Amino acid sequence: NAGVMQNPRHLVRRRGQEARLRCSPMKGHSHVYWYRQLPEEGLKFMVYLQKENIIDESGMPKERFSAEFPKEGPSILRIQQVVRGDSAAYFCASSPTRGVWEQYFGPGTRLTVT
Amino acid sequence: AQSVTQPDIHITVSEGASLELRCNYSYGATPYLFWYVQSPGQGLQLLLKYFSGDTLVQGIKGFEAEFKRSQSSFNLRKPSVHWSDAAEYFCAVRAGNMLTFGGGTRLMVKP
Repeated sequence: NAGVMQNPRHLVRRRGQEARLRCSPMKGHSHVYWYRQLPEEGLKFMVYLQKENIIDESGMPKERFSAEFPKEGPSILRIQQVVRGDSAAYFCASSPTRGVWEQYFGPGTRLTVT
Repeated sequence: AQSVTQPDIHITVSEGASLELRCNYSYGATPYLFWYVQSPGQGLQLLLKYFSGDTLVQGIKGFEAEFKRSQSSFNLRKPSVHWSDAAEYFCAVRAGNMLTFGGGTRLMVKP
């Protein structure tokens, strides 16, 4: 049973470009969570999605960031017009149901904005 | 609001020595608590969790943690540390739809 997959593992973008980060949850998992880890800090919640629904986006910056989890395919975290402060590791986690609180994490995407 | 504090940013122990990593939480309801480990450049691996019941929980890799409601603590312990345990350790509490993480404790192991 493959774990949570994230790609790319490393992404370099120039200021003003767009970044797209992908997350494929574990097989059988329908709940996806995105977290951001700034250098030397812990993880901060960004958004929680189920298939075709955003359940909680209370941790998402109001501008430039969006997330989706379509019926088919991976979940996407999109950052438009990236700035240097967006440089961080972005982790995706999945869980099988809402009531199960073991979140399984992917290896992360390390975004560097130059 | 919920929060998690890990007072020790760095800890160094000798291989074979015992280990205790501290975690204090602030949460109004019954907490669901977790410890994760992150090796350099890697994702997070769940070590153990506490939902209810026995306050001493066993995890993988020989780790255990004890939930103490009176002290709002959930400290992680290991009786004998191995060099491969060097990593960053995060304590987390479930809060609504998310996990709230502490700032992490970086463990270094001396030979």
